Order: sequence, then structure tokens, then C-alpha cells
Amino acid sequence: NAGVTQTPKFRILKIGQSMTLQCTQDMNHNYMYWYRQDPGMGLKLIYYSVGAGITDKGEVPNGYNVSRSTTEDFPLRLELAAPSQTSVYFCASSYGIITGGKYHGYTFGSGTRLTVV
Amino acid sequence: AQSVTQLGSHVSVSEGALVLLRCNYSSSVPPYLFWYVQYPNQGLQLLLKYTTGATLVKGINGFEAEFKKSETSFHLTKPSAHMSDAAEYFCAVSPQGGSEKLVFGKGMKLTVNP
Repeated sequence: NAGVTQTPKFRILKIGQSMTLQCTQDMNHNYMYWYRQDPGMGLKLIYYSVGAGITDKGEVPNGYNVSRSTTEDFPLRLELAAPSQTSVYFCASSYGIITGGKYHGYTFGSGTRLTVV
Repeated sequence: AQSVTQLGSHVSVSEGALVLLRCNYSSSVPPYLFWYVQYPNQGLQLLLKYTTGATLVKGINGFEAEFKKSETSFHLTKPSAHMSDAAEYFCAVSPQGGSEKLVFGKGMKLTVNP
């Protein structure tokens, strides 16, 4: 079981360039999330999805876009990279609703370290 | 709305000493509470959680936490620190009965000195 797979692991972008961060999960989780992690700031939710075809903004969505055409994939798109988007990006997935008192938990990918110069 | 406060960003203990990482939360509804651990250059993994029932919960690697509603706290403890406990620890909250969208604290980096 691969869990949550993120690619690439590292990337350097120039200001104004675009790129897509890939995220795939093989656990049939309904919910998927994108977070960014900045030193001393914890994790901030960028976008999330409760199922294929449904996405919604999180706390810090500006400068990003997402799509969810399948249950497995949840790519994050940066259209015009800015230095403020230098961060570590984490994708996560979960079953979503805590059912019957049982918590299934988030599964995190190993992250993408992005530098915009 | 939910929020989590982890005061300070770094704590240092000696190997064998008590580990205490503090977490206070704010929630307008009964919360679910979680601790996640992040080892260097890795993603986060669940350490333990409180959903319902017993307020003292045990997790992996000898960690435990106690939900105290009156103090709105969920502090993480371990009686004896090990070098391998060096990591960053995040407290998180989500509302009971709702969707599982977690709100994370800013994290606490734990250093264990020999």
C-alpha cells in the first residue's frame, strides 16, 4: 500500500512560472487536503475536497488552484509563482467523517519542498 | 470556529527527563483532539487522538495526553525522553460530529540532549 504519494519532492521555480504539484492516494479516501507548512507557522489549509468533482477553499487559497476529477488524484496548480509561495507543501487524505466513534485519521504524503526565486 | 494554541516553538529536555508539550484549544462545539509528530524531512503521522470516552489517551512510543474540558487543554506527556523523540509535534482540533477538517497549532520542536 503506497498511501499518499507526492511528486516532485523538490522543485525550484522562477518568479512567474507555473507548475503542478501531484498528489495520489490509493486508500479510496473521500477527503483530500493541501496544506502548506512555513517555519513557526504550523500547517495552513490551502484547498480541500470531499469527493471527486467537489473542491473548496481553505484558509490560504490565493495563488493556487485545484481539481479533483478522480477519487485518487488531487493536483495543486500554481499559475504565477511568487516568492511568498516558497514553502513545503503537504497533501493528505482521510475518510472524512468520523463514524461510529472510530477515527481513521489523516494520511500525509512526504511533502514537496518548493523554492521560488 | 476552532483554534489551537501551542505556546513557544521549541523545548529542550535531557534524555530520560519528562516531556511535556502544552496544547490549549478553542472550540464552539465539543472537539476531537489530536497530536501529530513530524520527523525531519517527513510528513506528519498520528501520535494519538481523543474522540470520545476516556479522557486519558495513550499513543505510540510511550506518549499520552489528557483531555481536560475545564481547562480546554490537551497536553502531551512522556515520562522519559529518548533521543529518537526529537521531532516537531503538532496539536490539532476538529469539531465533533462534523467533517474532519483539522486545524493545526504552530508546532513545537522537541530537542533531546544526551
